[in-house]
Amino acid sequence: GEDVEQSLFLSVREGDSSVINCTYTDSSSTYLYWYKQEPGAGLQLLTYIFSNMDMKQDQRLTVLLNKKDKHLSLRIADTQTGDSAIYFCAVNADKLIFGTGTRLQVFP
Amino acid sequence: GAGVSQSPRYKVTKRGQDVALRCDPISGHVSLYWYRQALGQGPEFLTYFNYEAQQDKSGLPNDRFSAERPEGSISTLTIQRTEQRDSAMYRCASSQAGGSTDTQYFGPGTRLTVL
Repeated sequence: GEDVEQSLFLSVREGDSSVINCTYTDSSSTYLYWYKQEPGAGLQLLTYIFSNMDMKQDQRLTVLLNKKDKHLSLRIADTQTGDSAIYFCAVNADKLIFGTGTRLQVFP
Repeated sequence: GAGVSQSPRYKVTKRGQDVALRCDPISGHVSLYWYRQALGQGPEFLTYFNYEAQQDKSGLPNDRFSAERPEGSISTLTIQRTEQRDSAMYRCASSQAGGSTDTQYFGPGTRLTVL
């Protein structure tokens, strides 16, 4: 079945850029998503990219997709303490398959 | 409604009891999905509906789990004879058009604890 992998932790200084990486196995995914989970809150859709795109930029967020390597990344520019959360990538293979999540910690 | 809502937000039950978890999707959304998220893991698919029809229940772990959406809006996930291993966050999502590529919007989840 589909497998989606993420590194577990990322720690960055406030103001720096954060890059969260994700690899997946199913090349038939049409859309690939990034969700944000804050404590006590639901999963918030951050952004998504269509599989025929290489890059998508949305304000401080940049999504890069390398279909050949089945690699998806989320770059957060000028990371703020409010960006501290768990970030999930998800691929759509008829149903959403989520990675294990990357916990982003932003320190002053 | 403005977003997906779920109730209760927290449920503590004793082993062997039945529980019913409710999801109220975004108004007009065709598809409704149930996921289970264990601590430290990503959500795992359980089942989904288009309107009132259950399209895929391949993620339900065993026959103690069932779901319904009788009028194509609110859905209930029922777990019978709960076990401690059922403890998790249960998340509901809805999407507008019902296609597999459509964006899913999640509710706040119900945290189930089985003692």
